[in-house]
Amino acid sequence: QSALTQPPSASESPGQSVTISCTGTSSDVGGFDYVSWYQQHPGKAPKLVICEVNKRPSGVPDRFSGSKSGNTASLTVSGLQAEDEADYYCSSYAGRNNWVFGGGTKLTVL
Amino acid sequence: QVQLVESGGGVVQPGRSLRLSCAASGFTFSIYAMHWVRQTPGKGLEWVALIRYDGMKKYYADSVKGRFTISRDNSKNTLYLEMNSLRAEDTAVYYCARGPAPTEIGPDYWGQGTLVTVSS
Repeated sequence: QSALTQPPSASESPGQSVTISCTGTSSDVGGFDYVSWYQQHPGKAPKLVICEVNKRPSGVPDRFSGSKSGNTASLTVSGLQAEDEADYYCSSYAGRNNWVFGGGTKLTVL
Repeated sequence: QVQLVESGGGVVQPGRSLRLSCAASGFTFSIYAMHWVRQTPGKGLEWVALIRYDGMKKYYADSVKGRFTISRDNSKNTLYLEMNSLRAEDTAVYYCARGPAPTEIGPDYWGQGTLVTVSS
């Protein structure tokens, strides 16, 4: 059982928007503005798409956005494209040099 | 471009040891903290260990504390993970990942991973 809770799956049609949630506690998500989101295609390494709750690394399309409210963080992918179909994982700093991850959400672009 | 290439994975019996390596290129290795993170089909991603840029501070997940040792050789741009007293539950793909400052941000670039299977 993962420390952060994500829905196992999400799906939406091309061009639409989808939001994936990530629920933790006040000791991790709620306690620090250090939430990251990773995209992972089958057989590939995770790729950082959002860091520090809502910052996009260079090269990540602005269709990807992040937010946080209380103990829940969210990743929104707008204008869905076929290449966005992947597994998405959230991660949070949990204090005392420890990091926790979510169980992952499989995003299907219908 | 940032490249991280893990090696050293394989099949090992319970109780035995294994050392993983991660060769880094495309960035100034000696100024970055580095992480090991593992992934299992059933439990997803799990943070394993962090080493500061100069190797002076090391931190571990409770699940591996006392059994795993993270180290680095900045002259060789290489990160290591020495794994002792291996258990079946250590079976996973092990990734090395770069840790930008501040380290609280967590990993940014990841390698392709190396598979460790602990089985008799």
